Amino acid sequence: AQTVTQSQPEMSVQEAETVTLSCTYDTSENNYYLFWYKQPPSRQMILVIRQEAYKQQNATENRFSVNFQKAAKSFSLKISDSQLGDTAMYFCAFQGYAGKSTFGDGTTLTVKP
Amino acid sequence: DAGVTQSPTHLIKTRGQQVTLRCSPKSGHDTVSWYQQALGQGPQFIFQYYEEEERQRGNFPDRFSGHQFPNYSSELNVNALLLGDSALYLCASSLIGGDNTGELFFGEGSRLTVL
Repeated sequence: AQTVTQSQPEMSVQEAETVTLSCTYDTSENNYYLFWYKQPPSRQMILVIRQEAYKQQNATENRFSVNFQKAAKSFSLKISDSQLGDTAMYFCAFQGYAGKSTFGDGTTLTVKP
Repeated sequence: DAGVTQSPTHLIKTRGQQVTLRCSPKSGHDTVSWYQQALGQGPQFIFQYYEEEERQRGNFPDRFSGHQFPNYSSELNVNALLLGDSALYLCASSLIGGDNTGELFFGEGSRLTVL
């Protein structure tokens, strides 16, 4: 069974600074997807960024980028130029061949003005 | 383009009762997954429905059951409620097939409180 571990329950960052959220996972599969989802307070979860395991190039989406280390089974999220609207809970998720997504326990990120 | 909608948004039940939660997937999606999210934790996979069949199931007891209708909407039923069933229940829709990117589209959830 796949497991996803987020070792930082809470983090904070000053507005306009950069922060990195960590995620490790365990799997015996070779082809899979990795995701970072954002869950703002009392709002629905949305996708931040997606990485396909067969792609060596790290995914980027505007201020969001990942550092995907397949051999180390590590998938960190970097948020540049942090904004107040980035305050949310962030979940790392793994989806393998079977199509089921497994989530970590999340990191609560607070962006301070 | 309608997103994922869930009902009810909040409900309170007592131990031993039964509850039904409902979900309409995003337009064009054919697969519905249900997750249980306890306070301060990540979503835990309950099951996934595709073509009106339960395609996969997580580590949840048989008290948790579901259904998918021909229009792809879905229900989650929980019988004999326990205090530990109190949680946010999330519905997520997706596509299986050529256009599948793996992304889940979530509803706002149904918050269940069991007293």
